[in-house]
Amino acid sequence: EVKLLESGGGLVQPGGSLRLSCAASGFTFTDFYMSWIRQPPGKAPEWLGVIRNKANGYTTEYNPSVKGRFTISRDNTQNILYLQMNTLRAEDTAIYYCGNSFDYWGQGVMVTVSS
Amino acid sequence: DIQMTQSPSSMSASLGDRVTITCQASQDIGNNLIWFQQKPGKSPRPMIYYATNLANGVPSRFSGSRSGSDYSLTISSLESEDMADYHCLQYKQYPLTFGSGTKLEIK
Repeated sequence: EVKLLESGGGLVQPGGSLRLSCAASGFTFTDFYMSWIRQPPGKAPEWLGVIRNKANGYTTEYNPSVKGRFTISRDNTQNILYLQMNTLRAEDTAIYYCGNSFDYWGQGVMVTVSS
Repeated sequence: DIQMTQSPSSMSASLGDRVTITCQASQDIGNNLIWFQQKPGKSPRPMIYYATNLANGVPSRFSGSRSGSDYSLTISSLESEDMADYHCLQYKQYPLTFGSGTKLEIK
């Protein structure tokens, strides 16, 4: 059974940083592209970025809206996906989801940016 | 970036009704589109892949179609469990882009 479990969310001040983790199980982690999306309360999701699989060199793509502030990485020995978020703004407040290609998504973790 | 214009933003329909939701792509995306269903407090669930292919476990009353740059999700006979938000996502080109969503309510 595929499981994706996000953690690391919470309240952070504007300008601060946060690192989200996504623990993956139930599939061969290195075979899959892994993505992050976010969803502000009551709004549509926004795609943030992807890290490709082993066959594609674990390269990354980002939404221009977060490029340079957010970094996606993966620990392929522990099957963990990361989202490092820097210089956070109020508009980054959202539920953040990690995903296995498009098939499976975690339950999400809330990030609130506020003073 | 490819813009996905989704309509309607919300709708109310009766049980048994035929319901159609549409996303219009600003550029050619081939059939590289997914439809998601999202219920309150839950993560998105893929319903339709590659514009017309039903995902595993999705009831056959759901279907996807394409006409030019318009992509549609149709529920042939609405059931109460279909009350949810629906989102389209194009994956033809980075950055991937979602439609603005449709909130489907039951009358």
